[in-house]
Amino acid sequence: GQQVMQIPQYQHVQEGEDFTTYCNSSTTLSNIQWYKQRPGGHPVFLIQLVKSGEVKKQKRLTFQFGEAKKNSSLHITATQTTDVGTYFCAGISGGSNYKLTFGKGTLLTVNP
Amino acid sequence: KAGVTQTPRYLIKTRGQQVTLSCSPISGHRSVSWYQQTPGQGLQFLFEYFSETQRNKGNFPGRFSGRQFSNSRSEMNVSTLELGDSALYLCASSFYRDGTGELFFGEGSRLTVL
Repeated sequence: GQQVMQIPQYQHVQEGEDFTTYCNSSTTLSNIQWYKQRPGGHPVFLIQLVKSGEVKKQKRLTFQFGEAKKNSSLHITATQTTDVGTYFCAGISGGSNYKLTFGKGTLLTVNP
Repeated sequence: KAGVTQTPRYLIKTRGQQVTLSCSPISGHRSVSWYQQTPGQGLQFLFEYFSETQRNKGNFPGRFSGRQFSNSRSEMNVSTLELGDSALYLCASSFYRDGTGELFFGEGSRLTVL
């Protein structure tokens, strides 16, 4: 079945440093979504990418979808303490079946 | 607009018991998905419903079941509870029929099995 792998599992940074998490799928994705889950909270949608090679920015966050639509990345510039949380990628394969498969997430901690 | 509501928020059960969790999606959302979240396994897909039909099911034993009602509210049931069923159970609703588009998650039901 479809697998979505995410690395790193954990990342600790000093406030102001950059952060990147990577997502790789075993199958071609029709789209990829990114979610953030604060400690003790629930996942909250950040963005969806659909097109091959797509790049989207949200303030300090930059999201990329690979040309082959099998990988994606989230880059945060100049991290802040408010960025703390677990970042998940999730994708639907071309066969869909209405199942969004999540990566295991990257837990980001930020030292002030 | 009210968000996704899950009840109960916390519950403690013993092995062998059964549990029913409830989810009320955002008004107008007809797709409801359920996920199990554990520290080691992340978010694992349980099932997805649309207009009372289960369209997909994850790799969980038959002890895990669900249903959706005509008003889009959904329930999931776990029978013969095992210690390993302790987890946060998240429900998510979506407006989109085809499975694309963002998921709106509820706060979750945290189940502890003793």
